[in-house]
Amino acid sequence: AQRVTQPEKLLSVFKGAPVELKCNYSYSGSPELFWYVQYSRQRLQLLLRHISRESIKGFTADLNKGETSFHLKKPFAQEEDSAMYYCALSGRAGNTPLVFGKGTRLSVIA
Amino acid sequence: GAGVSQSPSNKVTEKGKDVELRCDPISGHTALYWYRQSLGQGLEFLIYFQGNSAPDKSGLPSDRFSAERTGGSVSTLTIQRTQQEDSAVYLCASSFPGQGKTSGGVGETQYFGPGTRLLVL
Repeated sequence: AQRVTQPEKLLSVFKGAPVELKCNYSYSGSPELFWYVQYSRQRLQLLLRHISRESIKGFTADLNKGETSFHLKKPFAQEEDSAMYYCALSGRAGNTPLVFGKGTRLSVIA
Repeated sequence: GAGVSQSPSNKVTEKGKDVELRCDPISGHTALYWYRQSLGQGLEFLIYFQGNSAPDKSGLPSDRFSAERTGGSVSTLTIQRTQQEDSAVYLCASSFPGQGKTSGGVGETQYFGPGTRLLVL
C-alpha cells in the first residue's frame, strides 16, 4: 500500500535554529517524492522534489531508500518559513495522483 | 500566465442539497486532479483526468461524488445529497503531461488552485 507518514503535527523552533521535518513512505517500487508547502492564506505549492536535487529557500531533502525517508531540512530557520508542510509521493509512470502525508505545521518563533 | 482557478471560493449549503464545484486548469495542462483537504484527514485524492482517457475515480468516497471534464479543460465536481462529513476544502490541480521531459522521465509538477471551502450545515 502507498502511504506517507509525517509523525509530527506541529513543530516549533526558534529563529536561526536548524529544522528537520520528518517524512517516511511506503511504496512498492520507485516513487517520486515531493515536499509541498502552504503558507497562510496561500495555495499549496511545490517546494522541492527529489528528482531535481535542488535547494529551495534553503531547504533540502535527501531520499534515503534504505530507511524509506525523505526528511526536509534547513540549517537556519526563518520566521517566514512558518507554514504547513506536506510530504507526498507519486508513481513514476507518468502523471499519477499524489499521496500526501497529513502535514506538519512549522512555527518559527522569533 | 494565470494559474489554476476554482469557484466558488466558499460554499455553504444545507444537508441534502447538491453542490457543484468548478475548476479551470492552466491552459495546455491536460492532466487534472481533484483532492479533498479535511481536518484530521489531510489531503486525499478523489479523481484524476488525463486527456481523453477514462478518469481514475478510485478516490471518490461514495457514489454521491462525481466529476466531469468538458472539452478537455474545465472540470466540475458534483456532490449530491451533501452530508456534514463532506465539509472540507476541495482542491484542484493540473499538470502538463510532457512525459516527464522536464523532469527526467517522471511525472510533471502539479499546480494547485486556491480551493473551494465547502461547509454543509
